[in-house]
Amino acid sequence: RKEVEQDPGPFNVPEGATVAFNCTYSNSASQSFFWYRQDCRKEPKLLMSVYSSGNEDGRFTAQLNRASQYISLLIRDSKLSDSATYLCVVQNSGNTPLVFGKGTRLSVIA
Amino acid sequence: SQTIHQWPATLVQPVGSPLSLECTVEGTSNPNLYWYRQAAGRGLQLLFYSVGIGQISSEVPQNLSASRPQDRQFILSSKKLLLSDSGFYLCAWSLRGELYFGPGTRLTVL
Repeated sequence: RKEVEQDPGPFNVPEGATVAFNCTYSNSASQSFFWYRQDCRKEPKLLMSVYSSGNEDGRFTAQLNRASQYISLLIRDSKLSDSATYLCVVQNSGNTPLVFGKGTRLSVIA
Repeated sequence: SQTIHQWPATLVQPVGSPLSLECTVEGTSNPNLYWYRQAAGRGLQLLFYSVGIGQISSEVPQNLSASRPQDRQFILSSKKLLLSDSGFYLCAWSLRGELYFGPGTRLTVL
């Protein structure tokens, strides 16, 4: 089983739609979780950290389910500018390198 | 604020030629530094990371090497490039577990 697994997509959704991505991780001792966004031919950028209690930033909501070992990202009211690849990222312990999923591609269509 | 620089932005090199990619970070001291590679259609692969001057950890055996001659400088090198070395090379630094990437170098080996 891969350390971090994501559905590669693509998810093609109309503007205004709500879309959700899930990501599963294999190490039950993983401590930190993040979502990154990567635009085509650009570097990944931190979208949001994922906290145990779940967290929201505007139209974006991230949740963590430790029992089932998955994290999710919900995007409400999708915009054309949300089109990108979303990377799920896990850190197993405080000073170990982050492990990236291969990403889920989202296309928001007018 | 912290910034990270990488150069060159793009590079086309023949097989068997040497490589040197440079990364520098401004606005922070003693950062953890990382080199990642993203090959076409694949996820981010951690190549090297460094927690201090002269301290390099290699994640994947390959014909690449890394050095950290100064606190905020991280260099990726190869003596002889292979076709399989083509990809998008990203330098990153971390703060409290969050990773921040430079703009990347797109390397094509012909």
